[in-house]
Amino acid sequence: DVKVTQSSRYLVKRTGEKVFLECVQDMDHENMFWYRQDPGLGLRLIYFSYDVKMKEKGDIPEGYSVSREKKERFSLILESASTNQTSMYLCASSFHTPTGHYGYTFGSGTRLTVV
Amino acid sequence: GIQVEQSPPDLILQEGANSTLRCNFSDSVNNLQWFHQNPWGQLINLFYIPSGTKQNGRLSATTVATERYSLLYISSSQTTDSGVYFCAVSTGTASKLTFGTGTRLQVTL
Repeated sequence: DVKVTQSSRYLVKRTGEKVFLECVQDMDHENMFWYRQDPGLGLRLIYFSYDVKMKEKGDIPEGYSVSREKKERFSLILESASTNQTSMYLCASSFHTPTGHYGYTFGSGTRLTVV
Repeated sequence: GIQVEQSPPDLILQEGANSTLRCNFSDSVNNLQWFHQNPWGQLINLFYIPSGTKQNGRLSATTVATERYSLLYISSSQTTDSGVYFCAVSTGTASKLTFGTGTRLQVTL
């Protein structure tokens, strides 16, 4: 069964800490994404990557950075965690078919609380 | 950027009832997908449907691209259909999706 695995289901961190959220996919997908989900706001794109060592900003990149050193791994970094970064974080990977279909697979999410 | 609006925001159904969820989008799209997020948070892709109609069991979806909307139909609803349904779109050559705010569905016995 193909999978996107996020390293932690629940995480509690202190304000000002540097936080790493890890995501690994085993499907050899080129594209990987980090979203955050907040009540009433749906999913919002933070960063995405089309290839190793490649990254592009999404809609809300402020306060975050990413790293993609290997194809299967995409890390989200909170340089100095703040309480407004308390959220559910979802990682996804996708492939592109010849017909233009982008098949998405999501991880099960990391619920981060910053205190 | 493109705007995606979903309605209704919340829906409560009795088991066995039918429902229609709507997704409006503000610009032309080349990719439209419907997702279901179960009560444990897992998002599952239901349909890839940038245009036309598709059916999968009790679920079906229709997208009218020229009028910029998509509909998700759930027939004979079951408690396992509970969760949040998201519509997501992309434009141009990008694979990144823009999500709507979702419809939260609760199916009761």
